[in-house]
Amino acid sequence: QKEVEQNSGPLSVPEGAIASLNCTYSDRGSQSFFWYRQYSGKSPELIMFIYSNGDKEDGRFTAQLNKASQYVSLLIRDSQPSDSATYLCAVKGNNNDMRFGAGTRLTVKP
Amino acid sequence: ETGVTQTPRHLVMGMTNKKSLKCEQHLGHNAMYWYKQSAKKPLELMFVYSLEERVENNSVPSRFSPECPNSSHLFLHLHTLQPEDSALYLCASSQDPSGIQYFGAGTRLSVL
Repeated sequence: QKEVEQNSGPLSVPEGAIASLNCTYSDRGSQSFFWYRQYSGKSPELIMFIYSNGDKEDGRFTAQLNKASQYVSLLIRDSQPSDSATYLCAVKGNNNDMRFGAGTRLTVKP
Repeated sequence: ETGVTQTPRHLVMGMTNKKSLKCEQHLGHNAMYWYKQSAKKPLELMFVYSLEERVENNSVPSRFSPECPNSSHLFLHLHTLQPEDSALYLCASSQDPSGIQYFGAGTRLSVL
C-alpha cells in the first residue's frame, strides 16, 4: 500500500472553475500536511500547510484535513491557466519523516 | 528564488565518472535534505542532515555519498552510477527537522 496516494490525473478544469485535488495517507499518526506546486522543469513550491482538522483558507486556496478518514484535499477557486502544474501532497509523521505522493497534474483550460 | 541554490542545474556523466552535486542555503536553516525525483514516482527521501549530523539514510546505495561540512552547505558525491540513477535530484532545507521544507531548483542528472 502506498503511504501517500494521489490520483495522477491529468485533471482538467475550465478557467474560473473550482479544482479539487485529493490525497489519502496510510500513517494514522501523521501530524503535518503540505501541498506543493511543481511547474514542469521547476522545483516544488509550498502552497499550503495544515495541522488541524477542518479547513484552512489562503486566497484562492483552501486545504481541508480529515484525520479520521485520513485524507487531505486542496481546493483551488477561480482556477487560472497559471495554476496548471503538478500538485504534490506531503505528509509528515511523528518522526519528522516527510512522505510525498506522486502528484496530480492539473490543467486549467482558457 | 527560494534561498536554496543547487549546482550544476544539468549534469551528464558516464557510469565510470565521479561527480558532485552542491547545495547551498541562505535561510539560516539547520536541517538539509537530498531527494530523488524520477518520472511519475513520488519524491524519494535519500538523506537528512540536522545540525551537520546525518540523521537518516533511507537505504541509499553506497554509490551516493553525502557530505555536510556546515549547516549551509550540502554535497552529494556520485561515483559508478547506473543509468537508472538518472533523475532530478532536489535539495531542501528547513529550520529544523520538524519545519517546512524549501526546495532548490534541482540538478537534472543523466547517466549514460
